[in-house]
Amino acid sequence: AQRVTQPEKLLSVFKGAPVELKCNYSYSGSPELFWYVQYSRQRLQLLLRHISRESIKGFTADLNKGETSFHLKKPFAQEEDSAMYYCALSRYNQGGKLIFGQGTELSVKP
Amino acid sequence: ETGVTQSPTHLIKTRGQQVTLRCSSQSGHNTVSWYQQALGQGPQFIFQYYREEENGRGNFPPRFSGLQFPNYSSELNVNALELDDSALYLCASSLDSGGNTEAFFGQGTRLTVV
Repeated sequence: AQRVTQPEKLLSVFKGAPVELKCNYSYSGSPELFWYVQYSRQRLQLLLRHISRESIKGFTADLNKGETSFHLKKPFAQEEDSAMYYCALSRYNQGGKLIFGQGTELSVKP
Repeated sequence: ETGVTQSPTHLIKTRGQQVTLRCSSQSGHNTVSWYQQALGQGPQFIFQYYREEENGRGNFPPRFSGLQFPNYSSELNVNALELDDSALYLCASSLDSGGNTEAFFGQGTRLTVV
């Protein structure tokens, strides 16, 4: 069965500290992996996708097929990074049909 | 370019009733997906419509049904409402149904079943 697991419900760090939000998945095949973010009182929006290999707002995520992981990292957290983060996957070539993890709330303290 | 809009924002229904939720896709998008998000959980895929045809369905019973119209707006209908149907319902539109396409989400409809 396809599944996305985010083991931490809440991650609290101080401003300037490194951040790593964990995401593991189970899927037989070639999935497409995404990170979506929801800031307070805003709608869910795409942060980054593995195929783009880009850095958005200082965040990066590397797909590790051996460990079936897609952890989100940022070297220096900012207070404006505080939000709900969701890892999601879709089957290859089936865009828009997303399987989400439970989400991790990131709290960055001053 | 207009974003994804959903109506109503909030809704209270009684168990056993029927409800219709509406979604207006982002301009130029021909694909819409619906999700149910229970409190404290991630969104769960209900189904997707592509060019007015159902194009995939998640693990939801047939009392969850949908429509997509020629202008690509969409409806989610839920019959025989149950208390567990209380959730935030999200729709997301995308440019097409294939590839690594980005989904643009609406603000959601909060449904409460009493």
